[in-house]
Amino acid sequence: QVQLQESGPGLVKPSGTLSLTCTISGGSISSSNWWSWVRQPPGKGLEWIGEIYHRGSTNYNPSLKSRATISVDKSQNQFSLKLSSVTAADTAVYYCARYYSTAWFDPWGQGTLVTVSS
Amino acid sequence: QSVLTQPPSVSGAPGQRVTISCTGSSSNIGSRYDVHWYQQLPGTAPKLLIYGNSNRPSGVPDRFSGSKSGTSASLAITGLQAEDEADYYCQSYDSSLTGSVFGGGTKLTVL
Repeated sequence: QVQLQESGPGLVKPSGTLSLTCTISGGSISSSNWWSWVRQPPGKGLEWIGEIYHRGSTNYNPSLKSRATISVDKSQNQFSLKLSSVTAADTAVYYCARYYSTAWFDPWGQGTLVTVSS
Repeated sequence: QSVLTQPPSVSGAPGQRVTISCTGSSSNIGSRYDVHWYQQLPGTAPKLLIYGNSNRPSGVPDRFSGSKSGTSASLAITGLQAEDEADYYCQSYDSSLTGSVFGGGTKLTVL
């Protein structure tokens, strides 16, 4: 059973870069799936950030494309998110998830809160 | 402003039936793209509830059902229970945005 776990700093300064890692257990990142990041600002809804295939292909939300970078580390069975030039509007719980059958998200990690503040 | 539109809230008494709508457009639900639903209990990550418009993952009670017609989809919950109180989100793919889109979420209150 595939399980996902996010990790990374919980506090990032404005104009800095948010960096998160998702570790996959119970399955391989090299399986025929895409792997995604989704975020949820406090008290608000879900927003798709982007996704990556183990061979390196990526897709991003157009609203974040210029700031977001998703990468894969097959040796660690992990994928990562970097979001540059962050502002308070980027404060959110960040989830990683498997984008199964390029259609739905399952499973999800437990999420990690990232606060952008000086 | 979410690409998919859901009512902000719905409510029902225990045992009753409620429905949650999800309205899209010709570039997402109205096209060939399926709709999926998630349940988010307070303080937890979203959990897949319905996939492919009307399919339930293993372990999801048959009190939950989904349907799609035209540019809209619906989630129905019958025999409401207190444990169903949660936020519900619909999700699909949008060809104009070339990516996944979510509804704004609907808070279900069990009276």
